[in-house]
Amino acid sequence: GAVVSQHPSRVICKSGTSVKIECRSLDFQATTMFWYRQFPKQSLMLMATSNEGSKATYEQGVEKDKFLINHASLTLSTLTVTSAHPEDSSFYICSAGLNVQETQYFGPGTRLLVL
Amino acid sequence: KNEVEQSPQNLTAQEGEFITINCSYSVGISALHWLQQHPGGGIVSLFMLSSGKKKHGRLIATINIQEKHSSLHITASHPRDSAVYICARMGRNQFYFGTGTSLTVIP
Repeated sequence: GAVVSQHPSRVICKSGTSVKIECRSLDFQATTMFWYRQFPKQSLMLMATSNEGSKATYEQGVEKDKFLINHASLTLSTLTVTSAHPEDSSFYICSAGLNVQETQYFGPGTRLLVL
Repeated sequence: KNEVEQSPQNLTAQEGEFITINCSYSVGISALHWLQQHPGGGIVSLFMLSSGKKKHGRLIATINIQEKHSSLHITASHPRDSAVYICARMGRNQFYFGTGTSLTVIP
């Protein structure tokens, strides 16, 4: 089946630094990818929809200047957490599908810890 | 108010038991997804339903569009089924997630 990878799987950084997370669709092209955040014991929360070749669509309450999304190709979307703070520590997951109405394939997630 | 409600929130079962997890949603859908999240965090898409019933191995998912309700059944449950099960409705262009059901199957 389709595979979505994420890199890195785990990152620890100091407060104030920026962290880039990559999401790749390995064997299919995805014009749309989704980015989610999950805090401990909570469900997934959609952060933004990443659209290839255009600006991302952010959910209410998600700061677009803090969470920069770039979908430069049909197989790669990146999420950059700028000036990270401890409250940004979370599990970040991406998903992609052939189109938004089809089965979504999830990346393995990235655990971010901001000290 | 969450547009997608799941029950129960937590479920403990003995190995071999038949398990049902319920999902209700408040608005019309184009598709409903059942996801499985393992303790390490990885998420697997189990089913995508727009009507009727689907079966994969010991897993069965049903949906009643009129009642806006879906169920996930696990037959002959096994400890390896222990995970969080999440239903999600696909809206126009995004997911709305339920809060998840944490399932523990005891040997």
